[in-house]
Amino acid sequence: ETGVTQTPRHLVMGMTNKKSLKCEQHLGHNAMYWYKQSAKKPLELMFVYSLEERVENNSVPSRFSPECPNSSHLFLHLHTLQPEDSALYLCASSPSWQGARPLFFGSGTQLSVL
Amino acid sequence: AQSVAQPEDQVKVAEGNPLTVKCTYSVSGNPYLFWYVQYPNRGLQFLLKYITGDNLVKGSYGFEAEFNKSQTSFHLKKPSALVSDSALYFCAVRDADDYKLSFGAGTTVTVRA
Repeated sequence: ETGVTQTPRHLVMGMTNKKSLKCEQHLGHNAMYWYKQSAKKPLELMFVYSLEERVENNSVPSRFSPECPNSSHLFLHLHTLQPEDSALYLCASSPSWQGARPLFFGSGTQLSVL
Repeated sequence: AQSVAQPEDQVKVAEGNPLTVKCTYSVSGNPYLFWYVQYPNRGLQFLLKYITGDNLVKGSYGFEAEFNKSQTSFHLKKPSALVSDSALYFCAVRDADDYKLSFGAGTTVTVRA
């Protein structure tokens, strides 16, 4: 266990549904991240939060909406997704969003959009 | 802009043989370099990093990596591979003056018994 927990592990949704991904870290870290992992592609950074404030929105479509109510929890709200949004969504945390400390990843949510 | 290239989609070796996974990078400033491993149905796990100092860095599970500034490379190595090393390996780079971590596309390692 890395100390970063993601739920659900698997999610199937239609293009008109609204769903949310949840991430919780038990490491006392100040920074949290959402990444998108597609097969044979580099991980794509979506959002970065530091102490509940967003420091990066990496040109992500508005159908993805992040929320960070406190430094331990991070959500990704999904609505009107497209089939090409099917991927593994990874949450990560680190002590700080700056510096050279490594990221700690959750196991991910495997999302399928029908 | 920064980027990472992992030129091999797959690497296959026999158990007990040396394992090398290649990585080259591009950054405008000084690089921070990382290797992560991903086992099936799991997130990425940190293996090792290079920040400064000795070009040879040692990490978890007997892995090491060599930083080569002139070749802008950071290859991952293990002297004697195990079947349990079979996984997906990611190289990542961050410019020391930036916070964004850029990942390669990953290399699938298969170690056969």
